[in-house]
Amino acid sequence: AQRVTQPEKLLSVFKGAPVELKCNYSYSGSPELFWYVQYSRQRLQLLLRHISRESIKGFTADLNKGETSFHLKKPFAQEEDSAMYYCALRGGSGNTGKLIFGQGTTLQVKP
Amino acid sequence: ETGVTQSPTHLIKTRGQQVTLRCSSQSGHNTVSWYQQALGQGPQFIFQYYREEENGRGNFPPRFSGLQFPNYSSELNVNALELDDSALYLCASSLPSGGGTGELFFGEGSRLTVL
Repeated sequence: AQRVTQPEKLLSVFKGAPVELKCNYSYSGSPELFWYVQYSRQRLQLLLRHISRESIKGFTADLNKGETSFHLKKPFAQEEDSAMYYCALRGGSGNTGKLIFGQGTTLQVKP
Repeated sequence: ETGVTQSPTHLIKTRGQQVTLRCSSQSGHNTVSWYQQALGQGPQFIFQYYREEENGRGNFPPRFSGLQFPNYSSELNVNALELDDSALYLCASSLPSGGGTGELFFGEGSRLTVL
């Protein structure tokens, strides 16, 4: 079964501290993994995707197929990073609109 | 470039009623997908429409149905509403496989409350 697990509902850190939002997935093939973010009063939007191997707003995520993980990291958290973060998986190439989301982690960055 | 728009933003229905939610996709996007997001949960895939046909469905009963129109806008219809249907319904548009980055562009959602 395809599944995405985000074990932490809430992660609270101080400004300048490192951040790691955990994501584990279950999928037998070659998945595409994404991180979506929802800032307060804004719509859900893409933060980054594993295929592009980019750094967005200082965040990076590496796909670890051995551990089936796609953890999101940032070395120094900023207050504006406070938001809800969702890890998502797309399996197969046919249904581009079908993502399997985790339950989400609220990141709270304290001043 | 116009983003994804959804209507209505909020609505209240009673058990057994029917509801229609509407979505206009982002300019140039011909694929629309619908998600249900219950409180405290991640979005859950309902179905996807491409070229006016359902093209993929999640684990939702047949009373959840949809339409896509020639201008790529879409409707989600839910019949025989149940209390558990209370949720935020999200619409997302994208380019079909092989085009673009595969990114989904979400609307702000329609909040449905079933009493």
